[in-house]
Amino acid sequence: QSALTQPASVSGSPGQSITISCTGTSSDVGSYNLVSWYQQHPGKAPKLMIYEVSKRPSGVSNRFSGSKSGNTASLTISGLQAEDEADYYCCSYAGSRSWVFGGGTKLTVL
Amino acid sequence: EVQLVESGGGLVQPGGSLRLSCAASGFTFSSYDMHWVRQATGKGLEWVSAIGTAGDTYYPGSVKGRFTISRENAKNSLYLQMNSLRAGDTAVYYCAREGPSGQAAFDIWGQGTMVTVSS
Repeated sequence: QSALTQPASVSGSPGQSITISCTGTSSDVGSYNLVSWYQQHPGKAPKLMIYEVSKRPSGVSNRFSGSKSGNTASLTISGLQAEDEADYYCCSYAGSRSWVFGGGTKLTVL
Repeated sequence: EVQLVESGGGLVQPGGSLRLSCAASGFTFSSYDMHWVRQATGKGLEWVSAIGTAGDTYYPGSVKGRFTISRENAKNSLYLQMNSLRAGDTAVYYCAREGPSGQAAFDIWGQGTMVTVSS
């Protein structure tokens, strides 16, 4: 499978909202409501932020939300905070017990 | 505390082998599907392998036939046997737990172990 497509970088000012897109195909994102998003700070392990397109694990701020339309999923972060600056990765189940990640998006809080 | 701790990384020559381990604690290891995910320096995440609770295994084409995932529930341990290693396999390798109820997401991650393939 090919990696999902994410923008290399996005930026926003504190308090603003940003959206990161994640484009796949009809074989992965478009076929399953099994898209997840991960936050990764430098030198740290990834952290699950969203699963099943729009569900938040316990402890994740409600400033993080997810959605999907067709072959594209999106992560929105509202009320941007300095601590949100990190790399973000989307991931989709791709059938037959296989997974595909996006290339990652670097979020800069200005 | 729910925790995953990887070990076994290191420097290996091209064509060589390495076995990674992942020790799980704080949850019923045998009840969860488990995965390995890797990340080359400065690059994105790549799914490497999965193992179900029944021992069924899955791999992407990039490692199929070279890597073998296994688990030992009595020891709460996950393993990744890597053979015929290539420079392109150089990465931090994370073990990850797949969340419950078929959510197909990785809810717990280890801190990672570095594998360097170089002569």
